[in-house]
Amino acid sequence: AQRVTQPEKLLSVFKGAPVELKCNYSYSGSPELFWYVQYSRQRLQLLLRHISRESIKGFTADLNKGETSFHLKKPFAQEEDSAMYYCALSEGDSSYKLIFGSGTRLLVRP
Amino acid sequence: EAGVTQFPSHSVIEKGQTVTLRCDPISGHDNLYWYRRVMGKEIKFLLHFVKESKQDESGMPNNRFLAERTGGTYSTLKVQPAELEDSGVYFCASSQEIWTGAIEQYFGPGTRLTVT
Repeated sequence: AQRVTQPEKLLSVFKGAPVELKCNYSYSGSPELFWYVQYSRQRLQLLLRHISRESIKGFTADLNKGETSFHLKKPFAQEEDSAMYYCALSEGDSSYKLIFGSGTRLLVRP
Repeated sequence: EAGVTQFPSHSVIEKGQTVTLRCDPISGHDNLYWYRRVMGKEIKFLLHFVKESKQDESGMPNNRFLAERTGGTYSTLKVQPAELEDSGVYFCASSQEIWTGAIEQYFGPGTRLTVT
């Protein structure tokens, strides 16, 4: 069955430190991978998707099909990056429903 | 442009009662999704509408849940009768036509349902 795993519930780093939020998936086909973010008191919003190959707010994520991973990285964390981050997979079929990981709370300390 | 809206923001009901949640998608978005996050668990897909038709309802937990989208605009999700395990946050999301590749889903703020 399709599954998205985020092994860390909480990741705490100091401002300016590098950040890597891990995401692994299991899916037999060619999935689309996303990172969604939820800042405090805000709604869930798309941060980036793998097919765009963009860098959003300094974050990047590379799809590694060999390792079935889609880790989210940022070289220098900022306090405003503190939020809940969800990795999600879409099967790319007619539904495009999202399968979410359990989320990682990122806390960036001053 | 107004985003996805959901009503109510919070509902507290007793076990056995009925609750109806409403979602208004972004205007022009044919695709409407319902998700929920129960305590301590991940966000899970419930169902997907394309306009007024149910495209995928594989995530609906049981027949106590009924979703409608009459006219292809807003959607309602009714829980009848509510059970304790239904407590959680119910999210609605919408997206444009899938065949254009515009599959980004825009989420509403969620409805927090508490069943006591």
